[in-house]
Amino acid sequence: GNSVTQMEGPVTLSEEAFLTINCTYTATGYPSLFWYVQYPGEGLQLLLKATKADDKGSNKGFEATYRKETTSFHLEKGSVQVSDSAVYFCALRNNNDMRFGAGTRLTVKP
Amino acid sequence: DAGITQSPRHKVTETGTPVTLRCHQTENHRYMYWYRQDPGHGLRLIHYSYGVKDTDKGEVSDGYSVSRSKTEDFLLTLESATSSQTSVYFCAISEALAAGEGETQYFGPGTRLLVL
Repeated sequence: GNSVTQMEGPVTLSEEAFLTINCTYTATGYPSLFWYVQYPGEGLQLLLKATKADDKGSNKGFEATYRKETTSFHLEKGSVQVSDSAVYFCALRNNNDMRFGAGTRLTVKP
Repeated sequence: DAGITQSPRHKVTETGTPVTLRCHQTENHRYMYWYRQDPGHGLRLIHYSYGVKDTDKGEVSDGYSVSRSKTEDFLLTLESATSSQTSVYFCAISEALAAGEGETQYFGPGTRLLVL
């Protein structure tokens, strides 16, 4: 079946530090992969996506590359800001099945 | 931002009572979804709809029913609420199911439900 496993948090970083949040998946066929972000008290917002192998999604300085050989979609940002503090969810979509990881809480300190 | 509203935003109810949550969209998207969010589980799909009067079960559908009589509204009903249904419920919409631009799901602000 389809599933997503992401790095457990919480993650605490200082401003301008490098961020990596690991995400691996299990799926048959060719799923689309997503990163969503959730700010306190809000719904999920799409951060970036990739629909095929070797695609790189990017937005607001965040990047993730769809690696079929390692079944991974790790989220990276070169220099985090306090405003990046949120919960990040990795997700996959395979036809009508949508699966989310458990979420990783990121706190960035000034 | 996608035009998605959920009502109520907060609700406290007692075990055994019926509860209905409403999702309303102004985007005219074909697909609508209900998820629940619980610590350690991320989001899990309860039910989804692929058109008016067309619905299907998701990963955790037991104890829930849905209805969609109009494109813009998708209702989630707990026929007899239990404490295990205490959660945050999110509605989502998308234009399509297949891979491509239209498959992205957009989420509402959520409903926090407490079953005592």
